[in-house]
Amino acid sequence: GAVVSQHPSWVICKSGTSVKIECRSLDFQATTMFWYRQFPKQSLMLMATSNEGSKATYEQGVEKDKFLINHASLTLSTLTVTSAHPEDSSFYICSAPEWGRNEKLFFGSGTQLSVL
Amino acid sequence: GQSLEQPSEVTAVEGAIVQINCTYQTSGFYGLSWYQQHDGGAPTFLSYNALDGLEETGRFSSFLSRSDSYGYLLLQELQMKDSASYFCAVRDRDTGGFKTIFGAGTRLFVKA
Repeated sequence: GAVVSQHPSWVICKSGTSVKIECRSLDFQATTMFWYRQFPKQSLMLMATSNEGSKATYEQGVEKDKFLINHASLTLSTLTVTSAHPEDSSFYICSAPEWGRNEKLFFGSGTQLSVL
Repeated sequence: GQSLEQPSEVTAVEGAIVQINCTYQTSGFYGLSWYQQHDGGAPTFLSYNALDGLEETGRFSSFLSRSDSYGYLLLQELQMKDSASYFCAVRDRDTGGFKTIFGAGTRLFVKA
């Protein structure tokens, strides 16, 4: 199956700094990537849809200026958490869809962000 | 908007059969998926139903009734390794395009 590589796996940063998370599709071209956020023992909340070569589509309530998404190539999408605060601490995970019979999402391994 | 409801927890014994139900409300429904997630891990795809009926994949089966906005995941011959969270998810389409929205998840505890 398709492989989505996500880095870093975990990051600890100071409040006020920015953190960039990368998501790469290794063996396929991903024109679309989804970014989710998950708090412990809770659901995956869709933050935004990243489309190659165009602006990301953000879900209601997600701050565009805080969560910057870039999808500059068919294999790379990035999420930058700007001016991070402790309430941004969460598990961030990207996924790329396989649009076909199964409409399967391939997930990266996720990034655990802890903001001190 | 979209909403999905599934039980928060289910407990069963090894070898048993468990059914996890999911009801949904969405405006542009295209299909219902199921994902498994172990603690600390990424979700992995289990099944997808676009049409009414039962889909079987090994020990796991998934059912969909579009008229009832209802589906379920059936896990047979439960094993300890099946202890995980199970999410139903709808593939939906709105003005922003296709997207997958997840339910709150059902934590399955399998006991010996």
